[in-house]
This record gives sequence, C-alpha cells and structure tokens, in this order.
Amino acid sequence: AQTVTQSQPEMSVQEAETVTLSCTYDTSESDYYLFWYKQPPSRQMILVIRQEAYKQQNATENRFSVNFQKAAKSFSLKISDSQLGDAAMYFCAYRSVGVYNAGNMLTFGGGTRLMVKP
Amino acid sequence: GAVVSQHPSRVICKSGTSVKIECRSLDFQATTMFWYRQFPKKSLMLMATSNEGSKATYEQGVEKDKFLINHASLTLSTLTVTSAHPEDSSFYICSASKRERADTQYFGPGTRLTVL
Repeated sequence: AQTVTQSQPEMSVQEAETVTLSCTYDTSESDYYLFWYKQPPSRQMILVIRQEAYKQQNATENRFSVNFQKAAKSFSLKISDSQLGDAAMYFCAYRSVGVYNAGNMLTFGGGTRLMVKP
Repeated sequence: GAVVSQHPSRVICKSGTSVKIECRSLDFQATTMFWYRQFPKKSLMLMATSNEGSKATYEQGVEKDKFLINHASLTLSTLTVTSAHPEDSSFYICSASKRERADTQYFGPGTRLTVL
C-alpha cells in the first residue's frame, strides 16, 4: 500500500514571500499521479496542481509549482508571492494508475497548515 | 468546469434517525464518486467508492449497512447514515471524477453532520 507523508504540520510565510511545503511518498509503482489540494477555512477542497509521474517536467500553475523528484519519492509544493488567501490546509495526495477501482482512490497525507502573515 | 455540490451543507439530527446527503456533479458526468470522512484537523479518510449503476466498494472498517451509498445516475450519489449516533458526527465530503479525466477528483463543499 502507498503512504504519503507531510512532515510539516504547520508552516508560516510572510505575505509576498515564497514558501515550500514538503511531501514524500512510498510506492513500488513506476507510474502514478500526484496532487496538491488546498482546503481553506470553508472546508472546500480545491485542486491546486497535478503531476503525472512519467513526465519529468515539473508542473506549474501560476504562482504554484512543484519540485518532483521521482527517485527520492518527493513532491514539494512551492508557493511564490504568497497572498493572504493562500492560508489554508494543504494536502498532498497520491493516485495509482492501476485496475479500475483500486486505481481511482486517492491516498492523502496528513496535511500542512499554512499561515500567511501580513 | 468541474463543479460538485453537496446538500445539505449542515444537518443536525437526533440519535437513532437516518440522514441522507446528496452529492451532485453539476457540469459533468461522474463515472465514479467517492465519499470521505474528515475529523477535525485531520486528513480525509476514504469511506467508499461508487460507480454509476453498481454497488459501492467500501473501505476496510466502514460498515456498509450503516453508511448506505447509492449512485443512481451519472450525476448523483447519495450517502445515507442509518440509525445515526453521536460518534457519527463528522464532516462528510464527496468527490467525483470525469469519464474523460478519471485520474482527477473534484470535491464537493462537504456536509457537517451533528448527531445529538
């Protein structure tokens, strides 16, 4: 079974600065998907960024980018020019590319609470 | 877009009653829907996976007779908490994946259930 670990329960960043959230995972599979989801105080889970393991190029979405290190099984999220609205819980998630039902499920990390200081 | 709604957003019920929570994909057909439970300050715990027209697949430790899941159409799944007890109080979140992009889940806003 796959596991996802987020070693930082809480992080804080000054507005306009850059912050990196860590995520590591354990798997024996060679192909899979990785995600970062954001959960603000409203509790609505929002997809931030998606990475396909077979792609070497790191995914980016505006101010959000990832550092995907497949050999190290590391998938960190970098938030540039942090804004007050970035304050939220951030969850890293893993998805297999496998048989139908088993391949669909997401395995989540424990989450990192990001605080943004004005 | 990929919008998922849940209804109700909050529900309070008495112990022993049943509560139904609806999850709808508003602008896409959801081949698969998922139900999660989230405790305060914790991560999401997958309860079950459902595909349209077939029985749900429950995760280990989740009572299928207590948490009834129905996925009657490509846009609607329901979770019924039967004979609810205070320990069932939690935040329940559904998600759905599109046929054309099955690898990504889009989440609903969640339902806060409080059992008195």
